[in-house]
Amino acid sequence: SAVISQKPSRDICQRGTSLTIQCQVDSQVTMMFWYRQQPGQSLTLIATANQGSEATYESGFVIDKFPISRPNLTFSTLTVSNMSPEDSSIYLCSVEVRWGDGYTFGSGTRLTVV
Amino acid sequence: RKEVEQDPGPFNVPEGATVAFNCTYSNSASQSFFWYRQDCRKEPKLLMSVYSSGNEDGRFTAQLNRASQYISLLIRDSKLSDSATYLCVTWYSSASKIIFGSGTRLSIRP
Repeated sequence: SAVISQKPSRDICQRGTSLTIQCQVDSQVTMMFWYRQQPGQSLTLIATANQGSEATYESGFVIDKFPISRPNLTFSTLTVSNMSPEDSSIYLCSVEVRWGDGYTFGSGTRLTVV
Repeated sequence: RKEVEQDPGPFNVPEGATVAFNCTYSNSASQSFFWYRQDCRKEPKLLMSVYSSGNEDGRFTAQLNRASQYISLLIRDSKLSDSATYLCVTWYSSASKIIFGSGTRLSIRP
C-alpha cells in the first residue's frame, strides 16, 4: 500500500485565517481524496482531487472555502480558508493505489480554530 | 436514509469473547466493500476487504450478503487490542468514491 506524509499533524489557528494542509504520496496516484472527520463522527468526503483538472466537490463544500491544488500525481494541498470555530476538525487525505485494494489515509491534521 | 448504516455501539465484551457487527448499505450498485479500523485519534486503517465468497484473516471473518445488502464482521477470541471503532465502507464505480459508515465502537474488557 502507499505511504502518505501529511502535514501539519495539528495546528491551532485564529478565526479568519487560512491553513494549508499538504499530502505527499510515495507513488503516483490518479485521484486523491480529502475528508473531514468531526469529533465522534465518521468521515465526510470534501472533494476529489484529480491531477490536471479542477477538484470535484461534494455537496456542502465549495472551492472558495476549501481550495485544492494537485500539481502532480504524488502531491496535493487542501486549504481551509477564512476559518471559523466550526471548521475545527480532523482533515485527512486518502488515496487508492490499486483498484479494489482499499484506501490508505494520511495521519490526519487536527485543526482547532479559536 | 444513510447510504451505509452501522450500529454505533458501544459493544463492551470480555476478552476472549466472539463479537459480530453488521452493516447495511442502500445502493445495490455498490461493488466493493471493506472494513476499516480506527483507533482513537488515529487515521482509519484497512482491516480487510470483503469478498462475495466471504473471507477470513486469522480471528477475523467478513461476509457479504448482496441479496439483503449487508456485510458483517466477526471477531473471534477478542483481544484487548481489538478495542477500536470499526468502519464499514462501500464503493461503487458510478460515483467513483467510497462511502463510510459512522462506525461501531468496540471495547474489550479484561
